[in-house]
Amino acid sequence: GAGVSQTPSNKVTEKGKYVELRCDPISGHTALYWYRQSLGQGPEFLIYFQGTGAADDSGLPNDRFFAVRPEGSVSTLKIQRTERGDSAVYLCASSLGGWETQYFGPGTRLLVL
Amino acid sequence: DAKTTQPNSMESNEEEPVHLPCNHSTISGTDYIHWYRQLPSQGPEYVIHGLTSNVNNRMASMAIAEDRKSSTLILHRATLRDAAVYYCILRDYGGATNKLIFGTGTLLAVQP
Repeated sequence: GAGVSQTPSNKVTEKGKYVELRCDPISGHTALYWYRQSLGQGPEFLIYFQGTGAADDSGLPNDRFFAVRPEGSVSTLKIQRTERGDSAVYLCASSLGGWETQYFGPGTRLLVL
Repeated sequence: DAKTTQPNSMESNEEEPVHLPCNHSTISGTDYIHWYRQLPSQGPEYVIHGLTSNVNNRMASMAIAEDRKSSTLILHRATLRDAAVYYCILRDYGGATNKLIFGTGTLLAVQP
């Protein structure tokens, strides 16, 4: 079946601009996660949704980062006033339930100039 | 959160077995040991997990030390497609969070 998909695959933006990154989880998966991966590092947790609600947003670095999942399926990660330090690969994962195996998408590579 | 220690890199030859070590001396009784791997330009992929006993699946095996302070991921016959970063992760099923905490992993190079 279809895996986790993320769009766009690449995004180039200028410092100060607003970006939205989209994640389509595996159908039927109630849990959705966002991670961020900088070059040479392992993925770093950002936020976890169970259904429509954010169950754990402890990894969001500051209030420029926000994520939504209004219908409990697709999620959007929103970054305001982007900074060069936001450049990274943003990974989305989903799982059947909160403690099940997480399946990752290919990521969105964000470059802030 | 309990921490894991892995070598930065390892090399193997194609069709030979590979043993990837992981130390987790501060593991707690409710921590499961998980392995994920990340192929180039892809998201991480689940490999295997276990609690106390050695486990096997179609991808790999995992040997867990009796005191659970270390584990080894075993690829029985490495292929070029197994070249990836391998992450050893502890998940506390008795804890409050189910996020994955990745370290820097082991970069496995497979030579033809």
